[in-house]
Amino acid sequence: DAGVIQSPRHEVTEMGQEVTLRCKPISGHDYLFWYRQTMMRGLELLIYFNNNVPIDDSGMPEDRFSAKMPNASFSTLKIQPSEPRDSAVYFCASRTGTRGYTFGSGTRLTVV
Amino acid sequence: QKEVEQDPGPLSVPEGAIVSLNCTYSNSAFQYFMWYRQYSRKGPELLMYTYSSGNKEDGRFTAQVDKSSKYISLFIRDSQPSDSATYLCAMSGGGGSYIPTFGRGTSLIVHP
Repeated sequence: DAGVIQSPRHEVTEMGQEVTLRCKPISGHDYLFWYRQTMMRGLELLIYFNNNVPIDDSGMPEDRFSAKMPNASFSTLKIQPSEPRDSAVYFCASRTGTRGYTFGSGTRLTVV
Repeated sequence: QKEVEQDPGPLSVPEGAIVSLNCTYSNSAFQYFMWYRQYSRKGPELLMYTYSSGNKEDGRFTAQVDKSSKYISLFIRDSQPSDSATYLCAMSGGGGSYIPTFGRGTSLIVHP
């Protein structure tokens, strides 16, 4: 099993540009989560999906953030327009059942 | 008061020491307790998973839950430099989607 795969690993973009982060969950996992991690705030849940359906997006900070899961093997997190305060590490994680998550290696986003 | 409190450290110990990492929480509905280990520039990985109170042992690692005190611990015996990482506690309630609440993590440094 290749685990949760995220791309790109690093992204540097200019303020105002659109950023798209990608995630491939583990096959058979029915939950997918997007988290953001910063030194100041730790891990923050942004949104999660169950069977490709968004369940709770209350953690999405602003309308500039959107997420989709068009099928069971792919999800995107989009920021448009990006701002310097969006700089963070973004993690995707997937899960089945009630046990813990499997996290991807993250996308380190820097907005300059 | 945050729902889950965790001392960020860093905690620096010599190789071979017994390490104790702790979290306190305020939500008495939490029933599932987890510890994640996160190496630098990697995603968190599930280390220990316990349900309700009691102890669970896995090799050099022991997870302890005291629900009456709302206190959980992770003990690492014979610590190794390879244990140097950030350790995040996480906990969730029963029912629903079992979405965990994470602590901010404790940075552990084991020096040779």
